[in-house]
Amino acid sequence: AQTVTQSQPEMSVQEAETVTLSCTYDTSENNYYLFWYKQPPSRQMILVIRQEAYKQQNATENRFSVNFQKAAKSFSLKISDSQLGDTAMYFCASAPLGGADGLTFGKGTHLIIQP
Amino acid sequence: EAGVTQSPTHLIKTRGQQATLRCSPISGHTSVYWYQQALGLGLQFLLWYDEGEERNRGNFPPRFSGRQFPNYSSELNVNALELEDSALYLCASSAGDTQYFGPGTRLTVL
Repeated sequence: AQTVTQSQPEMSVQEAETVTLSCTYDTSENNYYLFWYKQPPSRQMILVIRQEAYKQQNATENRFSVNFQKAAKSFSLKISDSQLGDTAMYFCASAPLGGADGLTFGKGTHLIIQP
Repeated sequence: EAGVTQSPTHLIKTRGQQATLRCSPISGHTSVYWYQQALGLGLQFLLWYDEGEERNRGNFPPRFSGRQFPNYSSELNVNALELEDSALYLCASSAGDTQYFGPGTRLTVL
């Protein structure tokens, strides 16, 4: 079984600032994936970034990067040069290799980018 | 490339009725996942279909069921609707270990 915890229900930053969203997880799996998804007010769930647990190198996608600490079971998301369009709910999720149990989601962090 | 599509966008039913939700995956994806996003309960895994077969289900009663068709599209059926079934139902498709989501169907049970 997997559990995902997001301890920040809401965060607010000014446009152009850098913000870090926290996520911790627990799993008995040896091989798994970690994801950050974004859900704007339109409710469409959008993949932001993914990390294979067997890769030590932290994933990066443009302004989005992760800090993956496997031993600490921590998977934080850093958003650089934040933009108004980044305002959304952000969900951290995990899945075992093969996807048999579906994604296990955290409760989400509501990120608000202020102009 | 077209993304995951879901229909209808909104669905209003009364308690005890049946609801049918539909999902078309990204072309080339053979796996379809269903999730329920209810207020206060977060996102919960419902069902996983792959190559036409139900492969796994989450902790939901049997009145939540579905199927996957030969073209890999999928249908979620919810029988004997209860008020607490009101939620956003999300479908995701996958060709590997990354799931891509559709826009969801908002089910309201009155």
